[in-house]
Amino acid sequence: QVQLVQSGAAVKKPGASVKVSCKASGYTFTGYYIHWVRQAPGQGLEWMGWINPNSGTTNHAQKFQGRVTMTWDTSISTAYMDLSRLRYDDTAVYYCARGLTVSATLFPECHYWGQGTLVSVSS
Amino acid sequence: QSVLTQPPSASGTPGQRVTISCSGSNSNIGSNPLYWYQQLPGAAPKLLIYRNNQRPSGVPDRFFGSKSGTSASLAINGLRSEDEADYYCAAWDDRLSGVVFGGGTKLTVL
Repeated sequence: QVQLVQSGAAVKKPGASVKVSCKASGYTFTGYYIHWVRQAPGQGLEWMGWINPNSGTTNHAQKFQGRVTMTWDTSISTAYMDLSRLRYDDTAVYYCARGLTVSATLFPECHYWGQGTLVSVSS
Repeated sequence: QSVLTQPPSASGTPGQRVTISCSGSNSNIGSNPLYWYQQLPGAAPKLLIYRNNQRPSGVPDRFFGSKSGTSASLAINGLRSEDEADYYCAAWDDRLSGVVFGGGTKLTVL
């Protein structure tokens, strides 16, 4: 069965970086987009970006320009989201989600989600 | 300020029909499929409706999605206590070249 298992919670200081991992299983990792979505406490869902593990392309929301890096390691079917220069308002649960096949579109059709990773930014 | 607009709250009694609206623009809902996600307290989002009106396997047919122009709606028939959750609409936005979400609607079953 398809599973996305994310790394554990992290506590970081302002200005630091955090790297969240998302290990996929049960399907061909390079065949599907991975989206990253975050949710601040008590707030709604916010899309951060996507990766295409097959072509090597990524894109992210303008809001995160210069601060987010999305990478992956096909040998271990794992995607990573690195957020730098953390601020207090980056405190959120970060989710990875499997999108459509890489031969399809980037529509937000995510049937499978990771369990979420809480990143707390605190001094 | 979310790109897609949803009412912050909705409510109904068991057995009732409830609708949740989602309003956007030509660059998102007007030109791309609309998706609905259900998020139970403390859980990850779950895909409820895809491509405007399709239900993934396992989603009861009490949930119905529709879209017209730059607006969409989620209808829940025969409301049940387990439907109490947050509901989000989402779509691809051609102008932003990214995914946009609604602000979410908290559904309370009275």
